[in-house]
Parts: sequence; structure tokens; C-alpha cells
Amino acid sequence: DQQVKQNSPSLSVQEGRISILNCDYTNSMFDYFLWYKKYPAEGPTFLISISSIKDKNEDGRFTVFLNKSAKHLSLHIVPSQPGDSAVYFCAASFGNEKLTFGTGTRLTIIP
Amino acid sequence: DSGVTQTPKHLITATGQRVTLRCSPRSGDLSVYWYQQSLDQGLQFLIQYYNGEERAKGNILERFSAQQFPDLHSELNLSSLELGDSALYFCASSVGQEGEAFFGQGTRLTVV
Repeated sequence: DQQVKQNSPSLSVQEGRISILNCDYTNSMFDYFLWYKKYPAEGPTFLISISSIKDKNEDGRFTVFLNKSAKHLSLHIVPSQPGDSAVYFCAASFGNEKLTFGTGTRLTIIP
Repeated sequence: DSGVTQTPKHLITATGQRVTLRCSPRSGDLSVYWYQQSLDQGLQFLIQYYNGEERAKGNILERFSAQQFPDLHSELNLSSLELGDSALYFCASSVGQEGEAFFGQGTRLTVV
């Protein structure tokens, strides 16, 4: 039962444009959502998070949007840079439970 | 550098064998999580410890076990290894029982 889904395995975006990565979840109990970035042969690194009491959180070039009614969150990267090429995982948790991860989206930024 | 240390980085072993993966969490973090990433797949949660106690269990096989020691480091024991156990095993730690977790660089296990 995949409670957190990333339906796009890959995404290619021109450098300087906006990258939008999407994530859907099924468990309405989730109250905390995170995005991680992963380079090959490295562990995931935390990017940005959002609590379910908010619908938007910004950190520099990264913005996460949460639509609770649609059980959907997205990560916007503006402007996209070559160093943003990586696999992005969304994750969710509730209460004091562990993080549940999506399967990841491979983002490629085209120079 | 996340502050989470995993050893070894690479491990090659034969089917039927037993291995131990080690994780040192960030200083002050009480929660340790273990995740498995098989080829081109997402991160599958295995088990979580909080301050020495098992807190949550995921799809962890009975052949696998883990523990967290008084100094908060953790070990993941994998026994009767099968070819399908070949994967990247990540450890993560966090201050409490929720919120962002910080990941180690992983142990790549190859079972031949």
C-alpha cells in the first residue's frame, strides 16, 4: 500500500525555468510533509518541510505547496540550476511515526 | 556532512551469510531509523528506535533485526542473506520522534 506517491519517475527542465515536482498521499492522518534531495551514492538530504496547518512554505528558491483537500503537495524550484539535478523524494509523517517516502522523481536540468 | 555515520560503506557477501551494519546518529539525536533502497525504488522503512526502545516497525523481514545501544548508536543485523537483499541501507537520525531526519551516506550491500 503506497501511501505516498510520486507518479512522475522523471522530469526534464531547462535551466532557469521552474521545476515542479508533485506528490500525492492517501493517509489523511499525515500532518507533516518533507522533501528530500538525493545525489547518486549519497544519502538523502533534507530540503524543505511543511506542517499541515500551512499551505505554503518558502526557503530561497524552493517553495512547497500543500493542498490538503486534494491530498497533494508540490515542490517548486525557481530558477532551476544544473546543481538541482538529482532524485527528489517527498515524505510524510504523523504524530510520532516514521517518515513514509514516495518512490522519487529524477529531475534533470538541461543547460 | 549530515553528521550521521554509517559503516561500512560497501559490503559484499555470499548468500546465507550474516552481516551487521552500523550507524552513529548525530550528536544529541535520540531517534534512529533504518531504510532500505533497492534498485531504482523508493526508500522502504524498516525500523525505528527512540532512546533505546523500538518505536515503529515497517516491512522488516524476520531475518533482519536491529537494536539501539545506550550510547545511541544502532546496528542492523541481516542474516540468511539472499540475492534480493542486495540494496542500499540507510540510517537516519532525528532529535525527537518526528520531523526531519538526517541521513547517513548508506551502506551498499551486495549479496553474491
